[in-house]
Amino acid sequence: SAVISQKPSRDICQRGTSLTIQCQVDSQVTMMFWYRQQPGQSLTLIATANQGSEATYESGFVIDKFPISRPNLTFSTLTVSNMSPEDSSIYLCSVAAGLRETQYFGPGTRLLVL
Amino acid sequence: EDQVTQSPEALRLQEGESSSLNCSYTVSGLRGLFWYRQDPGKGPEFLFTLYSAGEEKEKERLKATLTKKESFLHITAPKPEDSATYLCAVQAGKGNNRLAFGKGNQVVVIP
Repeated sequence: SAVISQKPSRDICQRGTSLTIQCQVDSQVTMMFWYRQQPGQSLTLIATANQGSEATYESGFVIDKFPISRPNLTFSTLTVSNMSPEDSSIYLCSVAAGLRETQYFGPGTRLLVL
Repeated sequence: EDQVTQSPEALRLQEGESSSLNCSYTVSGLRGLFWYRQDPGKGPEFLFTLYSAGEEKEKERLKATLTKKESFLHITAPKPEDSATYLCAVQAGKGNNRLAFGKGNQVVVIP
């Protein structure tokens, strides 16, 4: 498995501002992912963070709104830009680890946009 | 498009009352079906991966099974500490490593 930490654990932000969420893993991993979990909804993949290249975004998510960095094999950031109340959600980082590349999740960042 | 439907959405059990959670899925070439447990305020915790129909896996009071259309998570003689939301996800054989999740089964075990 992998030990994953996220910062901040929670935040309350004003609309129109941006927040950067950090994800740190205790071992080098090839694949890191960012998910969103909205109230009453299932986890939805935002993008795959690729080390050394641009992130791969899922349908409905764009780089201008959710820029991602992946400077090395243990760290990634997700920025939620120009926030609106609809961005209030839990944002989760995950990594693929082990022989079968099982995905393990961080504790999440709880974001409330006013 | 990969789809995952979990039922029931919510379940209240008496301690010791065994039950099963259902995860129905449609996916183009199943690569793996995953069960996670999520406690309030925490990220999902990995429980099992099932790869082919007929496969079963167990962990303490939990047993996961898989058919070509659905998976069951059986909870035997549950305890209050089994209270959590159980998430099911599928990974398709083609494309990237995206997991498609259901909305979860919220389980409350009453002492």
